[in-house]
Amino acid sequence: QLQLQESGSGLVKPSQTLSLTCAVSGGSISSGGYSWSWIRQPPGKGLEWIGYIYHSGSTYYNPSLKSRVTISVDRSKNQFSLKLSSVTAADTAVYYCARDRGDPTPYFDYWGQGTLVTVSS
Amino acid sequence: DIQMTQSPSSLSASVGDRVTITCRASQSISSYLNWYQQKPGKAPKLLIYAASSLQSGVPSRFSGSGSGTDFTLTISSLQPEDFATYYCQQSYSIRAFGQGTKLEIK
Repeated sequence: QLQLQESGSGLVKPSQTLSLTCAVSGGSISSGGYSWSWIRQPPGKGLEWIGYIYHSGSTYYNPSLKSRVTISVDRSKNQFSLKLSSVTAADTAVYYCARDRGDPTPYFDYWGQGTLVTVSS
Repeated sequence: DIQMTQSPSSLSASVGDRVTITCRASQSISSYLNWYQQKPGKAPKLLIYAASSLQSGVPSRFSGSGSGTDFTLTISSLQPEDFATYYCQQSYSIRAFGQGTKLEIK
């Protein structure tokens, strides 16, 4: 059974960089046919897709966040990471990582439990 | 960018009711539409993928239909555990979610 677990700093100061990691267990992050996404949810609000990285290493980002987002993968540790720069209070949210299965059409079939990141001085 | 609009934003219903939630895309997305259920404090759970395919383990009272720009999620007979927030999500062009529909007990 695939499992995803987010980790990282729960408190980030304004203008600094948010950094999170998603550890994948029960399967290889290098398996073909999947991409790996970050999704966030501000308190009391809806879901916002941040971006994903393919098993090949190609990345795609939400245009509204593209200038501040970097998603990378560490195959040796079977994990992928999110960096979001120049954060403000509007970036306070629960951050989820998820597997994006591509067949027959893409969908998020496995999710982490989520981790709350608060942006505050 | 493809925008996803759900209606209604909230809905009150009773156990045993038939409920329909609608999702509209700003352009055609073929059948690249998924539905998720989220309960408070939990990660979303996949219900329907490719517009009408039921995810393994999801009760058959859930069904999805539509293609192009208009989609529906139907719950045939509401159960107590179905009161939650539902999201549609397109995967035709990168990814985007609808704003959610909160299903509450009447």
